[in-house]
Amino acid sequence: DAGVIQSPRHEVTEMGQEVTLRCKLISGHNSLFWYRQTMMRGLELLIYFNNNVPIDDSGMPEDRFSAKMPNASFSTLKIQPSEPRDSAVYFCASSFKGALSNQPQHFGDGTRLSIL
Amino acid sequence: AQTVTQSQPEMSVQEAETVTLSCTYDTSESDYYLFWYKQPPSRQMILVIRQEAYKQQNATENRFSVNFQKAAKSFSLKISDSQLGDAAMYFCAYRSLEYGNKLVFGAGTILRVKS
Repeated sequence: DAGVIQSPRHEVTEMGQEVTLRCKLISGHNSLFWYRQTMMRGLELLIYFNNNVPIDDSGMPEDRFSAKMPNASFSTLKIQPSEPRDSAVYFCASSFKGALSNQPQHFGDGTRLSIL
Repeated sequence: AQTVTQSQPEMSVQEAETVTLSCTYDTSESDYYLFWYKQPPSRQMILVIRQEAYKQQNATENRFSVNFQKAAKSFSLKISDSQLGDAAMYFCAYRSLEYGNKLVFGAGTILRVKS
């Protein structure tokens, strides 16, 4: 079975440019999570969706960050304009949450983002 | 808000020996999930083991087992017969049942395995 698929795996861009990170959920999953990992702050939840609806975006650092789920199997995380302090590894994770079931999160391989 | 603390930034173990990684958490909830994730140098986040708080029995997965002490809010991971492939960063994580599905992670423990 295909796991969570993230693209690109690496992204290097200049400050001020728009960055779009992509994530494809595991088939059948209905919850989607975006995390950011840095040495200083560890793993932080940025935002999560349940059934395509954003449930908690309190971790989104500022208005430069936005996330969408245009359909049930795909999500984007956009940073515009990007800044050097946004450099980090960004993980996407998905899981299934139902009335009687609450499965663990499965993570993608992450996108290493470097803003110069 | 829930917090997760891993007090050991780094641990070392000899191949074939046993090592225990510590994790404590703070919560006012009575029901929740706890997880251990492994992150090797390839940076994948791999689920190692999970525990439901309402279950008294400690979870086990092959060479991995946990010591779950609910009253003490402690959730340690024991790795038996350590292998070189166990070398990684290990994260303890808490998931609330009341406040959505999100995970709160500890800072992580780097595990080194010596041959």
